[in-house]
Amino acid sequence: KNEVEQSPQNLTAQEGEFITINCSYSVGISALHWLQQHPGGGIVSLFMLSSGKKKHGRLIATINIQEKHSSLHITASHPRDSAVYICAVGSGATNKLIFGTGTLLAVQP
Amino acid sequence: DGGITQSPKYLFRKEGQNVTLSCEQNLNHDAMYWYRQDPGQGLRLIYYSQIVNDFQKGDIAEGYSVSREKKESFPLTVTSAQKNPTAFYLCARSPDRVSSYGYTFGSGTRLTVV
Repeated sequence: KNEVEQSPQNLTAQEGEFITINCSYSVGISALHWLQQHPGGGIVSLFMLSSGKKKHGRLIATINIQEKHSSLHITASHPRDSAVYICAVGSGATNKLIFGTGTLLAVQP
Repeated sequence: DGGITQSPKYLFRKEGQNVTLSCEQNLNHDAMYWYRQDPGQGLRLIYYSQIVNDFQKGDIAEGYSVSREKKESFPLTVTSAQKNPTAFYLCARSPDRVSSYGYTFGSGTRLTVV
């Protein structure tokens, strides 16, 4: 079993839909990260959070430390949101990242 | 690029050849990391460095080497001992203390064995 599990692996949505991607982890963490990877390969960091909730534009990230679970929400989804969304946790004395395998999101017009 | 630059974008390696991937950062951050990405797998840590002249092996260091002679530079060499080097390689730097965004990644190098 992977230390960081994401669901779903693949997600197709219609433009305008509310989207939720889930992440569960089994290790102690210092922070949880949500990343976005576009087809060209570059990775952009969306959020780093260790408690509660953060919001940037149409993106919202929440974390429940007791349940070891985080969600990434996208409101009013748009085709430009199509990408792979990756959950990663910082763990251990050196705070190395442990990555989930990603969720491939396709938003259709 | 958020202060971190990788080059080249594409690299081709012949069998038995060593190649070096460049990673430079201009934000005076201490910690830098090299990751490898293969299709269907999460990123895996190759090497990391928290200070100049010091670096540590990650989970898949065999067949790779690094150096950290300067704070701003953390090059990765893929040696001939790495039997399956075709992959996408990403360099990253640690978050700054005030950022809510976390790590910054380079744009990546796609290495192919020919």
